Formats: sequence, structure tokens, C-alpha cells
Amino acid sequence: SQQGEEDPQALSIQEGENATMNCSYKTSINNLQWYRQNSGRGLVHLILIRSNEREKHSGRLRVTLDTSKKSSSLLITASRAADTASYFCATDPQQGAQKLVFGQGTRLTINP
Amino acid sequence: GAVVSQHPSWVICKSGTSVKIECRSLDFQATTMFWYRQFPKQSLMLMATSNEGSKATYEQGVEKDKFLINHASLTLSTLTVTSAHPEDSSFYICSARWGGRGEQFFGPGTRLTVL
Repeated sequence: SQQGEEDPQALSIQEGENATMNCSYKTSINNLQWYRQNSGRGLVHLILIRSNEREKHSGRLRVTLDTSKKSSSLLITASRAADTASYFCATDPQQGAQKLVFGQGTRLTINP
Repeated sequence: GAVVSQHPSWVICKSGTSVKIECRSLDFQATTMFWYRQFPKQSLMLMATSNEGSKATYEQGVEKDKFLINHASLTLSTLTVTSAHPEDSSFYICSARWGGRGEQFFGPGTRLTVL
């Protein structure tokens, strides 16, 4: 079963605005990863944040992790039309087999 | 990041035939490969985990006789959909990981359509 729940399920904003997506999970994790998927394509790895990290940056991306609330957020600043895609969080649980558990995803649309 | 390829990128077949999908890690040795399927506008569902040289571990509800996985080398895993039916039509994605916990690198996916 999918552990992650993402919010919102769909987000539509104007180009240049910031986009924030949230992910909640249920069990303790080793790390949490964010991926992007363009329609009909494979997944592109964006950022991995470990359980002992609270914030991480990569270009226009900023990821936060709050293990006490079991939640993470992905912020895309100064959005571009090319950022239109689905974004998934995936958790690597501490217990059990080493396999990622994906959230349901957020479909982001950037309007020019 | 590392590159993972899949072949074919799309396939259309008749009901009852078998289809093989290849997943290759091009610039690293993948100790573990994963196979997912994805329905339109849905998330990825893990089907099985395969480690080189050993039998794949299937997720609950996935028929191992239906979806045959072979991880013959550190750079190649194959998924064979046997006796495919229209309900097997989906987007199949593989991923590969080197070493322990960390990033997974995903292939571009294979679109299977069974008529």
C-alpha cells in the first residue's frame, strides 16, 4: 500500500509564482525522496533528504523534512512552464525491506 | 545522475502472447532493480524487487507466474508478461539502485498495449 499522501492532488499556478507541495507519511524513515514525472515518461530524481536533515536546496528547489510531524514539503520557486509535471514523494522506511513507497503525487500545471 | 534504459519504449501485442521488457543500467552496476506498473494518472505500484543472481521478491497480489523477472547480471533485468491480456495494458517502469539505501534511478518506461 502507498504510505505517502500528497497534498494537493493538483495545483495550477501562473508562471513565476512559487509552487508548494506537501507529503505526509506514516512510519519512521531513513530518507525521503522527491521525483518528477513528465507525462508518459519515467521518473527523474530531484532531491533526497535524510531523516537527520531538516532542509535541503537544489537550484530552485527547496525540500523540508519534519520527522516529528512525518511530513515533507517541496517548494519550487519562480516556476516555469517546463516545471509542469507530476511530482511524487517516496519514503525509504526504516523497517522492512529496502524499497521505496510512493505517494499519490501532485499534478502541477504552470500556466504561461 | 546514472542512466537506466528500457527497451522497448512501447509495444502493442495480441492477447495471449508474451512480451519481454529489458531494463539496463548503463553506467553503473545495479545490485537491486525494481519493477513498477503505473495506470493513467495514478502513482507507481511496486510489482517486484530483484537482486542479481537470486529470485525476485514479488509484492502481494502480483502473480509471479504471470510476471517473470530475471536479473541475470548487474546491468540487466528483464520482465516478461506471459500470456498477456488487455488488463495487463499499462506503463511499466524499472529502476535500479547501487549499493544500500539511496537514490533509485528510473528508466523511461515501457507502454504495453494488449489488444
